[in-house]
Amino acid sequence: AQSVAQPEDQVNVAEGNPLTVKCTYSVSGNPYLFWYVQYPNRGLQFLLKYITGDNLVKGSYGFEAEFNKSQTSFHLKKPSALVSDSALYFCAVRDMNYGGATNKLIFGTGTLLAVQP
Amino acid sequence: NAGVTQTPKFRVLKTGQSMTLLCAQDMNHEYMYWYRQDPGMGLRLIHYSVGEGTTAKGEVPDGYNVSRLKKQNFLLGLESAAPSQTSVYFCASSTGGEQYFGPGTRLTVT
Repeated sequence: AQSVAQPEDQVNVAEGNPLTVKCTYSVSGNPYLFWYVQYPNRGLQFLLKYITGDNLVKGSYGFEAEFNKSQTSFHLKKPSALVSDSALYFCAVRDMNYGGATNKLIFGTGTLLAVQP
Repeated sequence: NAGVTQTPKFRVLKTGQSMTLLCAQDMNHEYMYWYRQDPGMGLRLIHYSVGEGTTAKGEVPDGYNVSRLKKQNFLLGLESAAPSQTSVYFCASSTGGEQYFGPGTRLTVT
């Protein structure tokens, strides 16, 4: 079965320190992977995606993610956290049933990032 | 571009009442989706559409209906609201890659 796991409900980090939000996936074939951020009372905002190519993907607001095929992971990273990065982060993978033709996404349950000043 | 817009932003219904949530996108996207978000459960897909005039069931379709008569609009209907449908509803659209989300509708059913 296809799935996305975000093993940490919450990640706490001090401002200025590096942050990592973990994501692992299970899908057939080559994965299409995405990260989204949700601020309180807002919709999800697209951060970055991996389709093919370089395993290190750069996205918005200084975030990047590393695709690791052998570990089926796609961890979100940032070298120096800001208090304003505090939000809910979702990892997603394209549903590859029907060859991905529906473009549906399978979301993880989200990780709350709390950056302390 | 307004992107993806949702109407209304908030709504309180009594059990058994009906309502329609409207999603509109101005990006000429083929694909549109309706999700619900509940604490601890992430986003769950209710219904989706791969093009004008098409709809399909998602993960949690019971109690909801949808229509996509125009490419830019995707309507979500609740025929007889139940307290279990209290949630935040998000619409999204896509060309085939990442999805773009609306701001959400917070629905409370009493």
